[in-house]
Amino acid sequence: GAVVSQHPSWVICKSGTSVKIECRSLDFQATTMFWYRQFPKQSLMLMATSNEGSKATYEQGVEKDKFLINHASLTLSTLTVTSAHPEDSSFYICSAPRDNTGELFFGEGSRLTVL
Amino acid sequence: AQKITQTQPGMFVQEKEAVTLDCTYDTSDQSYGLFWYKQPSSGEMIFLIYQGSYDEQNATEGRYSLNFQKARKSANLVISASQLGDSAMYFCAMVNRGGSEKLVFGKGTKLTVNP
Repeated sequence: GAVVSQHPSWVICKSGTSVKIECRSLDFQATTMFWYRQFPKQSLMLMATSNEGSKATYEQGVEKDKFLINHASLTLSTLTVTSAHPEDSSFYICSAPRDNTGELFFGEGSRLTVL
Repeated sequence: AQKITQTQPGMFVQEKEAVTLDCTYDTSDQSYGLFWYKQPSSGEMIFLIYQGSYDEQNATEGRYSLNFQKARKSANLVISASQLGDSAMYFCAMVNRGGSEKLVFGKGTKLTVNP
């Protein structure tokens, strides 16, 4: 079964509302989690690195106030898309390194559609 | 800076035949890891195979093998005996082992397996 779970798997919201996406590591602790965004037919773009107990590290060009990340525990990171607009519609994926084996586990992804 | 290049936007292969998906990388680090992921239409990222920069033998996982040529900085994925279910996007990725577990992805290759 999946070791990294994302919720919700899909969400539709109205423009101007905020949407929260959760990423959970189910059977291991993750001090670090990564959030990606995928545009249609394009590769994944790393948005930010979520660090437990500290501020997230955002990649260049990603709006911190737009995409709020909270990593409150060793098994949960949340991505909140604030005041969502249609251009925020995308597929958002999180991942977490399990241990020093070098394998990253990915969540199932969350498809956001902003009307 | 790390960079992954996948030069094949799309590939076609007949069922039961083998196919090679190209991946070249660029890094100044001595310690790194290379991954291949499969992304079906559902969007989920499925880990396929991993190769460490110090691994002497090419990684193999069932029908997947990684042709690792360190001097040429290439890490091609070979899929043997293609199946219809192999039709998907395939992403090559690299992680710097000396720092954070942040993955850098290529743009992906869309593989279509024909019956």
